[in-house]
Amino acid sequence: AQSVTQPDIHITVSEGASLELRCNYSYGATPYLFWYVQSPGQGLQLLLKYFSGDTLVQGIKGFEAEFKRSQSSFNLRKPSVHWSDAAEYFCAVAYSSASKIIFGSGTRLSIRP
Amino acid sequence: DAGVIQSPRHEVTEMGQEVTLRCKPISGHDYLFWYRQTMMRGLELLIYFNNNVPIDDSGMPEDRFSAKMPNASFSTLKIQPSEPRDSAVYFCASSSGTSGRGQFFGPGTRLTVL
Repeated sequence: AQSVTQPDIHITVSEGASLELRCNYSYGATPYLFWYVQSPGQGLQLLLKYFSGDTLVQGIKGFEAEFKRSQSSFNLRKPSVHWSDAAEYFCAVAYSSASKIIFGSGTRLSIRP
Repeated sequence: DAGVIQSPRHEVTEMGQEVTLRCKPISGHDYLFWYRQTMMRGLELLIYFNNNVPIDDSGMPEDRFSAKMPNASFSTLKIQPSEPRDSAVYFCASSSGTSGRGQFFGPGTRLTVL
C-alpha cells in the first residue's frame, strides 16, 4: 500500500541550529513529493515539491529537501532555524499525476531559545 | 489571489444539529478536497472532486456526512445529525490540473459539537 512515514513525532532544536526532518515513502514509480508546514491555528502551506529533475529542491522560508530514490527518502533541511519555524511539518506523496495526496502523520518542531 | 476561503472559521453546535461547512476554491482550480484533522487520527481525506464531480468519497465516515459541489467556485460539507465525535478541524484544499502541482489549503473550520 502507498504510504509515507515520518518517524519523528516531536523534535526540539535550538534557535540557529540546523534542522533535518525525516520522511520515507513506500516504493512507487515517479512519486510526487511534498513538504507542508502548519502553524498553530492555520491551514497547511506548501513549502516545496519534487517530481523530476534536480534531486535537491529549494522551497520557501529557506527550506530545502533532497530526494534519494535509493533510500525512498525525502528529508527536509534548514541550515539555521528561527523561532518562527516552530510548527507542524507534513511530508506527502502522490503516485500519479491525478491521484490524491497521501500525508504523513507529521513532525512537531519546537525551537529552544 | 485570495486563496481558498472557508466559512465559518469556528462553529459550535449541539449534538443532533445540522452543520454546513463552506468552501470557495482558488479560481481556475479544478480539484477540490475536503479533509478532517484530529489529534487522534491526524489528517484524513474525506472526499475529493474533479470538475465538480465527486471522484472518491471513500473517506467519508458515514451517511451522516455529505458533500456537494454545485459549481466550480463553491462546495459544501454537511453533517446531519452532528455528534460530539465529529469535533475536529475541517480543511478544504484545491489544486490545478493534478495533485502533482500540490494542493492549496484553506484556513480550516474548527467544529465543536457539544
